Amino acid sequence: AQSVTQPDIHITVSEGASLELRCNYSYGATPYLFWYVQSPGQGLQLLLKYFSGDTLVQGIKGFEAEFKRSQSSFNLRKPSVHWSDAAEYFCAVVPNTNAGKSTFGDGTTLTVKP
Amino acid sequence: ETGVTQTPRHLVMGMTNKKSLKCEQHLGHNAMYWYKQSAKKPLELMFVYSLEERVENNSVPSRFSPECPNSSHLFLHLHTLQPEDSALYLCASSQDSTQPQHFGDGTRLSIL
Repeated sequence: AQSVTQPDIHITVSEGASLELRCNYSYGATPYLFWYVQSPGQGLQLLLKYFSGDTLVQGIKGFEAEFKRSQSSFNLRKPSVHWSDAAEYFCAVVPNTNAGKSTFGDGTTLTVKP
Repeated sequence: ETGVTQTPRHLVMGMTNKKSLKCEQHLGHNAMYWYKQSAKKPLELMFVYSLEERVENNSVPSRFSPECPNSSHLFLHLHTLQPEDSALYLCASSQDSTQPQHFGDGTRLSIL
């Protein structure tokens, strides 16, 4: 079975600083990979996804993520964080089969300092 | 895109009450999901429906009873709940199990 690890439970960055949120997965082949964001009082919203092809994927709100097969990682980045980016971020993996089931990481809470 | 709509947004109920949570999607998706999100705990997948058939039940207590009458609607019937069932219940849908999920804003459930 696949698994997802988000090593950082909580990260604090200053507004305008760069951000990297880590995600590592365990799966026998290359899965489909996703990042979601959850703002307080709301459901999860898809930021970006990786299915195949270019390993650097662009998402909404200025986020990007890079798939590194050798490291089984799919880290999320943003060059300059805005106060509105404060939220919880979830990495998810799905096996690339018809019977695939999503597995979510435990989430990373991002705090943005003014 | 109208997305995924969940009602009610908030629900307070006693342990002996019976209530239902509703989820509706107009995205033409074939799969629908119920998740439980408790404070300080990972997201827990409860049930998965694909083409109105239940394909997953993650050892959820029988006091939670899902119903999927058609591909656009999903219900979670609640009865004789316990205080530890207080949580945010999220509904999601996707085109199929490999595609990104679209989430509703959840129902915040409090058990007295």
